[in-house]
Amino acid sequence: GESVGLHLPTLSVQEGDNSIINCAYSNSASDYFIWYKQESGKGPQFIIDIRSNMDKRQGQRVTVLLNKTVKHLSLQIAATQPGDSAVYFCAENISNTGKLIFGQGTTLQVKP
Amino acid sequence: GAGVSQSPSNKVTEKGKDVELRCDPISGHTALYWYRQSLGQGLEFLIYFQGNSAPDKSGLPSDRFSAERTGGSVSTLTIQRTQQEDSAVYLCASSSGLAGKRFFGPGTRLTVL
Repeated sequence: GESVGLHLPTLSVQEGDNSIINCAYSNSASDYFIWYKQESGKGPQFIIDIRSNMDKRQGQRVTVLLNKTVKHLSLQIAATQPGDSAVYFCAENISNTGKLIFGQGTTLQVKP
Repeated sequence: GAGVSQSPSNKVTEKGKDVELRCDPISGHTALYWYRQSLGQGLEFLIYFQGNSAPDKSGLPSDRFSAERTGGSVSTLTIQRTQQEDSAVYLCASSSGLAGKRFFGPGTRLTVL
């Protein structure tokens, strides 16, 4: 099926370090992007979103960067904490539809 | 309730049986989405509703899968003649509009024996 690709399946970082999770998307018609966090046994939890008319958006400890030229999305987590350990998914929304297509996910492991 | 709810949380069925999965979206959300997640995998888009209408059913894996939404609220996903490969977590999400944040429910874990 349709999917957005992620560069690394697993990312391991030290507590307190910054984390960067990357994502490549495929559809030029995508106009909206979301990052989700999923903990074991739970549904995906919204982290941050960005629309295609923006390059950067910041939240609390998180920043999303969008590079439409190379169809690349990244999630930066500042001062990573053990509670950030989870699988992170990027997702792209196909313009004028309700289709939000997810990538395969990156597992973030935070070492104390 | 405050969030998206799904029932049952777990469903074990025998191959060949029909199952119905239910989703209660956040009150007032006009858009509703169904996804399937196999173990250790990403989310596979199945179908979305805008109100009671499903403009795009191309994500449904086969004609054994169907979904409906009534009253612009509750939705049911029906799988007929279940197969072992249908085993997965079925997730529902809702949003206030098609271009908005999707909020997910906890999912229904379906196991087909």
